[in-house]
Amino acid sequence: GENVEQHPSTLSVQEGDSAVIKCTYSDSASNYFPWYKQELGKGPQLIIDIRSNVGEKKDQRIAVTLNKTAKHFSLHITETQPEDSAVYFCAAQNTGANSKLTFGKGITLSVRP
Amino acid sequence: DTAVSQTPKYLVTQMGNDKSIKCEQNLGHDTMYWYKQDSKKFLKIMFSYNNKELIINETVPNRFSPKSPDKAHLNLHINSLELGDSAVYFCASSQLPSLAGGPGETQYFGPGTRLLVL
Repeated sequence: GENVEQHPSTLSVQEGDSAVIKCTYSDSASNYFPWYKQELGKGPQLIIDIRSNVGEKKDQRIAVTLNKTAKHFSLHITETQPEDSAVYFCAAQNTGANSKLTFGKGITLSVRP
Repeated sequence: DTAVSQTPKYLVTQMGNDKSIKCEQNLGHDTMYWYKQDSKKFLKIMFSYNNKELIINETVPNRFSPKSPDKAHLNLHINSLELGDSAVYFCASSQLPSLAGGPGETQYFGPGTRLLVL
């Protein structure tokens, strides 16, 4: 089955700096890669996703890149703000019928004011 | 309007008891899921239903029994609760299940039910 690794497990940045979170996956059939943000006491919320037919996607301060050859994808947050502090999960899903979404273990991002 | 809602938000109970968690989505989605998040924040799928039919059933003790009375509702009943069942349980939904050759489906999560077994 799919295995998603997420590095690092914690990340602390100064407000205004950029943050990069990296994930690797094992199943070459995976073609859907969402990123979720989980704030304290809440459920995960989708912030951006990428499908295997594109290499990069941007949405304001957030971007995701995908390297299918190397089987890794990354989340980039620019101009970080304190409200970006949360747990971020990457996930991967393959093309099979009724396949499941496999999550990484999450990274705790702290943005220092 | 809450898209995916769960009740109760908190559940504290004794070992050996039986309890249920309820989930409802008003997004018109066909597919619903139950996830367990342990104390280390690891999210793992337990079950998935598509239009009331079970489509994903991970290696979960048979003390856990999901039930989908209609495609907008997915409940989770847990028998003989154990200490290790303490976790946050999340319900989620997506418009469709993963389709062979498909693009992948966005999942929308509820706020979670925090279960503590004493």
